[in-house]
Amino acid sequence: DVQLVQSGADMKKPGESLKISCRGSGYSFANYWIAWVRQMPGRGLECLGIIYPGDSETRYSPSFQGQVTISADKSISTAYLQWSSLKASDSAIYYCARGASMFDYWGQGTLVTVSS
Amino acid sequence: DVVMTQSPLSLPVTLGQPASISCRSSQSLVHDDGNTYLNWFQQRPGQSPRRLIYEVSNRDSGVPDRFSGSGSGTDFTLRISRVEAEDVGVYYCMQGTHWPRTFGQGTKVEIK
Repeated sequence: DVQLVQSGADMKKPGESLKISCRGSGYSFANYWIAWVRQMPGRGLECLGIIYPGDSETRYSPSFQGQVTISADKSISTAYLQWSSLKASDSAIYYCARGASMFDYWGQGTLVTVSS
Repeated sequence: DVVMTQSPLSLPVTLGQPASISCRSSQSLVHDDGNTYLNWFQQRPGQSPRRLIYEVSNRDSGVPDRFSGSGSGTDFTLRISRVEAEDVGVYYCMQGTHWPRTFGQGTKVEIK
């Protein structure tokens, strides 16, 4: 079965750094894009960007360019989303999903809380 | 960015009755390869989104056949033929043709 398993919830202070993960299994991880999607409290879905683990080609949505970094390590079938300096407005649930357009399988979500 | 506009944003329905959600895009979603990358997702309370429909009208495996998708170009519709209690949640359309990928605002389906 295809599965995307994300790292657990995290609570940070403004200005701190954070890296969350998404591990794929049940398919050839290197050959499918992974997307990161944000859902702010009580709000809709926004795509931050996508990465192709096979060669680490990455595309960022213009709204998130420079705000986050997406990476992947195909040797351990894991994609990452990281922040160098968190803001309170980064508080949200972050999902990973398979595909550049498909979004056919989703992780369980990682709740990120940024509060002083 | 391509703007995806859903209506209605709230949809109270009676069990067993049909429901319909509209999704309109600000640009045509026909890709250069000839395909139209319009997906529909269901998000039940407290759960991750789940894809129901891909490329306008293709139902995902395990999705009940009471769900159907239709449309073309810039105008798309998700229909539920007979709403069941488990259909409560928020439904999103998403375009996968243009970058960046964009979602509709979501339509909340609830039982009257």
